[in-house]
Amino acid sequence: DTEVTQTPKHLVMGMTNKKSLKCEQHMGHRAMYWYKQKAKKPPELMFVYSYEKLSINESVPSRFSPECPNSSLLNLHLHALQPEDSALYLCASSPLPGTAKGGIYGYTFGSGTRLTVV
Amino acid sequence: ELKVEQNPLFLSMQEGKNYTIYCNYSTTSDRLYWYRQDPGKSLESLFVLLSNGAVKQEGRLMASLDTKARLSTLHITAAVHDLSATYFCAVDIWDTDKLIFGTGTRLQVFP
Repeated sequence: DTEVTQTPKHLVMGMTNKKSLKCEQHMGHRAMYWYKQKAKKPPELMFVYSYEKLSINESVPSRFSPECPNSSLLNLHLHALQPEDSALYLCASSPLPGTAKGGIYGYTFGSGTRLTVV
Repeated sequence: ELKVEQNPLFLSMQEGKNYTIYCNYSTTSDRLYWYRQDPGKSLESLFVLLSNGAVKQEGRLMASLDTKARLSTLHITAAVHDLSATYFCAVDIWDTDKLIFGTGTRLQVFP
């Protein structure tokens, strides 16, 4: 299995809803990432998990809450989002985090969740 | 402030022509990646460049990395319509867990 699987593919939610995005990989990768991508813009890093611990939070608002229950699974919990949070949310994984020395590098991206906040 | 800049941001080119996309970055790194993105889709990995002087080729695309100049290039040879997409470079920031994307180049190839 060489894929990163994201669910759901599309999500429409109201500003008072609570929802979660899910990301799964079975490649034994020890680093996982959440990116947000607005239309016609590059992906922006949100969170990095390294060996199941949160290593980077790029000053993301608290209405986004990441969780890494185990080495294969990454969740992004959403609560009280704003319309400007509508975007494509991409999950990625890599064999080792960037700070690991002498590792194997490269990133695998999931197909993304297209989120619309109404 | 960290910057990963690409130019041009938009490129409209005729089939059969050659062109180069440039990726400049402002921090120390020796790992650079090129991705392709079709509209509404995710990122497709094109090249992984892991050392100074690295050169990789796949079909009509060739990528290179000069870590001293902090510059990577993506060269397109004899463009075809199927290459129309947005191309991103991305840089592993030295001694962090961050992968940061460039501004992107939207490529349109016309007959």
